[in-house]
Amino acid sequence: AQSVAQPEDQVNVAEGNPLTVKCTYSVSGNPYLFWYVQYPNRGLQFLLKYITGDNLVKGSYGFEAEFNKSQTSFHLKKPSALVSDSALYFCGVYGTGRRALTFGSGTRLQVQP
Amino acid sequence: IAGITQAPTSQILAAGRRMTLRCTQDMRHNAMYWYRQDLGLGLRLIHYSNTAGTTGKGEVPDGYSVSRANTDDFPLTLASAVPSQTSVYFCASSRAGATDTQYFGPGTRLTVL
Repeated sequence: AQSVAQPEDQVNVAEGNPLTVKCTYSVSGNPYLFWYVQYPNRGLQFLLKYITGDNLVKGSYGFEAEFNKSQTSFHLKKPSALVSDSALYFCGVYGTGRRALTFGSGTRLQVQP
Repeated sequence: IAGITQAPTSQILAAGRRMTLRCTQDMRHNAMYWYRQDLGLGLRLIHYSNTAGTTGKGEVPDGYSVSRANTDDFPLTLASAVPSQTSVYFCASSRAGATDTQYFGPGTRLTVL
């Protein structure tokens, strides 16, 4: 079975500070890893994905994520948070032979001015 | 380009009634998905379709049915609604399959009383 864990329900960070939203996964075979963001009353929007290659993936809005195979992690990062980054963030994983993505439970990011 | 549209935006439904949630995409994507979003549980896959004419069960399919008569439309039917089906429902599509970026609709908020 494949699974995703987002251990923090909420992350609080001050504007201008770096942010990290954590994600760990469990899959069979090589993983495809995704990050999506959800703003209030909206559907999810794609941020970035890792399939193969460079472990550091750069995505939309200045976000990046680092794939760490030994720690089975795919943490989302941004060097300098903006108030407008406040939203709900979902990590997703797809493993060999599976039918679809499995999403984590989500992490609410709150950036304070 | 509208992307993915869902209807209705919200609905209050009496238990036992039949309800169809509509989803239409104009991107000519092969794969489509239905998720439900519940607080603390993230997104869970209900049903999916890899191509027109085929459908498959996701993580939580009981009480729901889908059809995929053509590429663009993927309706979700609740044959006899129950209060536990109160949720926000999201439709999504991707070009080829689960490893591709998914594009989400705005969601339908359903309340079953």
